[in-house]
Amino acid sequence: QLQLQESGPGLVKPSETLSLTCTVSGGSISSSAYYWGWIRQPPGKGLEWIGNLYYSGSTYYNPSLKSRVTISVDTSKNQFSLKLSSVTAADTAVYYCARVVVVPAAMESYFDYWGQGTLVTVSS
Amino acid sequence: SYELTQPPSVSVSPGQTARITCSGDALPKQYAYWYQQKPGQAPVLVMYEDSERPSGIPERFSGSSSGTTVTLTISGVQAEDEADYYCQSADSSGSYNLVFGGGTKLTVL
Repeated sequence: QLQLQESGPGLVKPSETLSLTCTVSGGSISSSAYYWGWIRQPPGKGLEWIGNLYYSGSTYYNPSLKSRVTISVDTSKNQFSLKLSSVTAADTAVYYCARVVVVPAAMESYFDYWGQGTLVTVSS
Repeated sequence: SYELTQPPSVSVSPGQTARITCSGDALPKQYAYWYQQKPGQAPVLVMYEDSERPSGIPERFSGSSSGTTVTLTISGVQAEDEADYYCQSADSSGSYNLVFGGGTKLTVL
């Protein structure tokens, strides 16, 4: 059974960089069949897609966050990571990592396995 | 920017049918996906490619599409179905951009 687990600091200061890691177990992050992604959810609000990554390193980002986001992969550790720079209180959210299924012949994807999520609070 | 619109809330009695809609201009060209999220838990995929049910999801969950609106239908609603439901799709402008609807709170009366 595939499992994903987010890890990283729960508190980040404004203007600093948020860094999270997702560890994948029960499957290989180097599978050619899937991408890997990050989604966030501010407290009491809806879901927001952050970005997706392929094991080769190809990335796709939400246009509204693109200037501040970097997603990378470490295939040797079966992990992928999120960095979000210049954070503000508006970046306070539960951050989820997920496996991404890509629909062939379409610029579409969806999320079939999710981590449990980790709350990151931006505050001084 | 592309948006998907859902009603904030839907209420039904146990055993009744709940219909949750999601509207978006690109939905005639793009599939929709549905997630169920219970309090304090991660979302769970309950429908993909408009009307396909993942393994393990009860048959009372079904999906349909008509024009710019997709609908998640839950027949014979049970108390355990009370949750937030989110639709998700993709922008059809040619750039890769995944979008979620604002979510619908399903209350089982």
